[in-house]
Amino acid sequence: KAGVTQTPRYLIKTRGQQVTLSCSPISGHRSVSWYQQTPGQGLQFLFEYFSETQRNKGNFPGRFSGRQFSNSRSEMNVSTLELGDSALYLCASSKNRGSGAGANVLTFGAGSRLTVL
Amino acid sequence: TQLLEQSPQFLSIQEGENLTVYCNSSSVFSSLQWYRQEPGEGPVLLVTVVTGGEVKKLKRLTFQFGDARKDSSLHITAAQPGDTGLYLCAGAEYSSASKIIFGSGTRLSIRP
Repeated sequence: KAGVTQTPRYLIKTRGQQVTLSCSPISGHRSVSWYQQTPGQGLQFLFEYFSETQRNKGNFPGRFSGRQFSNSRSEMNVSTLELGDSALYLCASSKNRGSGAGANVLTFGAGSRLTVL
Repeated sequence: TQLLEQSPQFLSIQEGENLTVYCNSSSVFSSLQWYRQEPGEGPVLLVTVVTGGEVKKLKRLTFQFGDARKDSSLHITAAQPGDTGLYLCAGAEYSSASKIIFGSGTRLSIRP
């Protein structure tokens, strides 16, 4: 079965611009989480969407936003880009059904690497 | 927000040696997961532990969840070059199990 697909894989922007990243989850997975990965900070939680609603949010400024569509596909947007936004942005999906060991297992995409100049 | 600290940050050892990676927090998690990430790819799940004191084995890898569900360890026996990668622990918050937060990672290098 197809994995998590993120587009684009690489992109270069300049300060002040905005960017939109896309994530297509595994079929049947209703939860989509976004993370920012940098060498200095590791994997930082951005937000999680479930059934088109933001259910959890990390500690990022309002310039970072996201949404989820009825087919569970998700997008995240970063406005007014700063140099420090250069990072690998990872999307992960999960079934998120019930409880127990398998309930919230994340399957990641390969990421979108953003460079801000 | 709950935090997870991993140690060591970097580890370079010879093939055949054993090693242990630690993941610690002052908070309790409903479950804890271990992932491995290779360059150019997203993290891939290795194991999930749910019960305090639980021990799981995956070939040469042994994972343990602390009795108090605040910490975990990953032990690799007879490390091989194929074990090289970034190892990440991740905890599901008690207040919202779908919010998974990650430790800072341990970058492991196995020398042939």
